Amino acid sequence: EVLLVESGGGLVQPGGSLRLSCAASGFTFSNYAMNWVRQAPGKGLEWVSAIIGSGDNIWYADSVEGRFTVSRDNSKNTVYLQMYSLRAEDTALYYCAKSTNLRASDFDYWGQGTLVTVSS
Amino acid sequence: EIVLTQSPATLSLSPGEGATLSCGASQSIHSRYLAWYQQKPGLAPRLLISDASTRATGIPDRFSGSGSGTKFTLTISRVEPEDFAVYYCQQYGRSLSFGGGTRVEIK
Repeated sequence: EVLLVESGGGLVQPGGSLRLSCAASGFTFSNYAMNWVRQAPGKGLEWVSAIIGSGDNIWYADSVEGRFTVSRDNSKNTVYLQMYSLRAEDTALYYCAKSTNLRASDFDYWGQGTLVTVSS
Repeated sequence: EIVLTQSPATLSLSPGEGATLSCGASQSIHSRYLAWYQQKPGLAPRLLISDASTRATGIPDRFSGSGSGTKFTLTISRVEPEDFAVYYCQQYGRSLSFGGGTRVEIK
């Protein structure tokens, strides 16, 4: 059974940093791209970042480029999202999602999400 | 960046009626790389359709997808009570992006 479990969310002040983690199980982790998708309260889905199986190729949404860094540790079956210079508009539920193949594509499994609140 | 526009924003239907949801793209989407998701309150999205028309595992055949280029459609042949939810399209032909969603609500 595929399982994705996010952690690391919380309350952070504007300008602060936070690192999210997503622990994966139930599939060969290194064979799939992994993604972060966020959803602000009461709003729609926004793709944030993708990293392919080897970690060699990474993409970011314009809204987070230069502030967020995605990485993965295939030995720990974990993907990370390091967030810097956080803003109020980064407040959202952050989902980890598995791509259906090696490259950034559609998402067949999602975690339950971890909530990030940016507020003073 | 490819911008996806979904219409209508809200669709009010009675159970048993058919539903047609549209997703328009600002640029042609390469290789029909478009997916549809269903999201219910408090839950993560669920993949319904990949590559514009391929149903994901376990998705009932009342859901179908079609389209190419810049115009795509999700059709629910007869809406069941469990289908009332928000639906999103997503493109993965050039970077990735989501549409704003269509809410299917009970009339």
